[in-house]
Formats: sequence, C-alpha cells, structure tokens
Amino acid sequence: SAVISQKPSRDICQRGTSLTIQCQVDSQVTMMFWYRQQPGQSLTLIATANQGSEATYESGFVIDKFPISRPNLTFSTLTVSNMSPEDSSIYLCSVARDRDHEQYFGPGTRLTVT
Amino acid sequence: AQSVTQLGSHVSVSEGALVLLRCNYSSSVPPYLFWYVQYPNQGLQLLLKYTSAATLVKGINGFEAEFKKSETSFHLTKPSAHMSDAAEYFCAVSRMDSSYKLIFGSGTRLLVRP
Repeated sequence: SAVISQKPSRDICQRGTSLTIQCQVDSQVTMMFWYRQQPGQSLTLIATANQGSEATYESGFVIDKFPISRPNLTFSTLTVSNMSPEDSSIYLCSVARDRDHEQYFGPGTRLTVT
Repeated sequence: AQSVTQLGSHVSVSEGALVLLRCNYSSSVPPYLFWYVQYPNQGLQLLLKYTSAATLVKGINGFEAEFKKSETSFHLTKPSAHMSDAAEYFCAVSRMDSSYKLIFGSGTRLLVRP
C-alpha cells in the first residue's frame, strides 16, 4: 500500500479565488490521479498527473480551471481556480504502482466555496 | 465504454445479518474490479479486488465478492454485519491497460441497525 497525505484537509474560500491542494506520497509511484467527489455523490476523475509533463484531463475538465503539477514521483498539486460555489466538493488524490492496478487514496480535501 | 451500476443507494441491515451490496459492470474487455469503503470524513480504503485470478475474492474486515462473468456481476457480501461496517461502499472497474483509470459506481450507503 501507500501512505498519502493531503493539505489542507479542509478550507472555506471566497468565490473568485484559487486554492492549491497538495498531495504527498511516502514512496515513489508511477501514477497519480485527482478526483472530485461532489456532495453526496460518487467520485469523478479530473485528471492523471504526469511526472514532468502536462496532466491528462478527462472530458469536462480543463487545465485553466484545474491546473496540476507533478514535479517528481512522490508529489503533486491541484489548483482549483476562480472558484464558484459549484466547486464545493471533496478533492482526493490517489496513486497506483506498476505492479498492480490498485489505487490508494488520500484522506481528501473538503472545499467549501462561499 | 466501461460502466458500473450499483443497485440500491441505501441498504439497511440488522447487526449480525447478511450484508449484500450489488454491483454490475459493463466492459468490452476483461476488467479489473474493486470494492472500496469510505467512512465519514475519510478517503477511500480498498476492500478487495478481482484481477482475473480466483473468482471468489476475499478482502479485509470479513468481506468477500464473487466475480460472475455470465451475470456481469461483482456483488459484495459479509456473513454478519457489525455496527462498524456502516459506511459508503463503492464498486469500481478498471481497464486491463496501462491507463489505470477507475470508473466508480454511484455508491451504496450501508446502514446497520442495532
């Protein structure tokens, strides 16, 4: 498995501002992902964070709104830009290794936009 | 395209009773299948996974699931529910390729009555 931490654990932000969420893993991993979980709903994949190159976004998500960085094999950030109340969600990062398809999840960042 | 359907957004059982959470998948290629559990205000924890080995998969906390290709199902069971099992459960499917992407079902909230 992997131990994953996220910062911040929660935040309340004003509309129009941006928040950067950090994801740190205790060991090197091949794949890192960012998910959104809207209130009372399931998880939706935002993007795959690629080390040293641009993230790969899923349909409906764009880089200008959700810029992602991954400078090395243990760290990634997700920024939620120009926030609106509709961005209020839990944002989770996950990781996967080469040898299996298991994904391990961080504890999530609970974002409320007012 | 792959998809996952979880029947029943809420399941209520008495403590000590059988737990059955239903998951049906759609995939044009052999899938990897997963069950995750999410306790309140926490991230997701992997319960078990199917990766084309044994069709009956045993996981943590006494849970198990059976892969039935003919029924395209991967239902989660536990012989005797415990109060601590109350949580949200997600079924997920992944392609057997290098993308590692997970597609989640809508989730089932398990309520355990004393």
